[in-house]
Amino acid sequence: SQQGEEDPQALSIQEGENATMNCSYKTSINNLQWYRQNSGRGLVHLILIRSNEREKHSGRLRVTLDTSKKSSSLLITASRAADTASYFCATAGAGSYQLTFGKGTKLSVIP
Amino acid sequence: DGGITQSPKYLFRKEGQNVTLSCEQNLNHDAMYWYRQDPGQGLRLIYYSQIVNDFQKGDIAEGYSVSREKKESFPLTVTSAQKNPTAFYLCASSLQGFYNEQFFGPGTRLTVL
Repeated sequence: SQQGEEDPQALSIQEGENATMNCSYKTSINNLQWYRQNSGRGLVHLILIRSNEREKHSGRLRVTLDTSKKSSSLLITASRAADTASYFCATAGAGSYQLTFGKGTKLSVIP
Repeated sequence: DGGITQSPKYLFRKEGQNVTLSCEQNLNHDAMYWYRQDPGQGLRLIYYSQIVNDFQKGDIAEGYSVSREKKESFPLTVTSAQKNPTAFYLCASSLQGFYNEQFFGPGTRLTVL
């Protein structure tokens, strides 16, 4: 079962602009994670935010979590062409046995 | 270098054949996972193993089999019973438990001819 749903499905921006991607989920979670996947490659872990956290930063990444709305957002500031990739949210459900991935947002950063 | 490797990168299979995908990690992780990714889709869990000599079915285990005889290795066999095996297969590992971040291999693209 896929719990996380990213929005938008695709996003195209100019280099230097900020990119925001959203993730909604349906059930209680222990944590929510964001991953990046370059075309034809494996996934790379970006950031993990626990259910009792509201915001987390890592370099140019900012993640927020609103458990009341069951949603999260990933903000990439000052985007670069190298940020072009698909971004997935994954939820670790409270009491669940698995990490559940959404379908991803495909980000294109135009130089 | 610590990491997780998968081989081969590309694999072609004739209908009716079983094939085995390799996954090896030297991160000293207890847990390992196999996912399937179809175009434009997220990852779906096939099998996972939290400890050596133990593994559990994920959401789409039918037509697949695994073994976990060593901590470092978690091979996946795609059997002839899998009706639509053409996909991108990803192996991952983590510290024990689904709550931890997962480290992914580069993937194997399987095509059925």
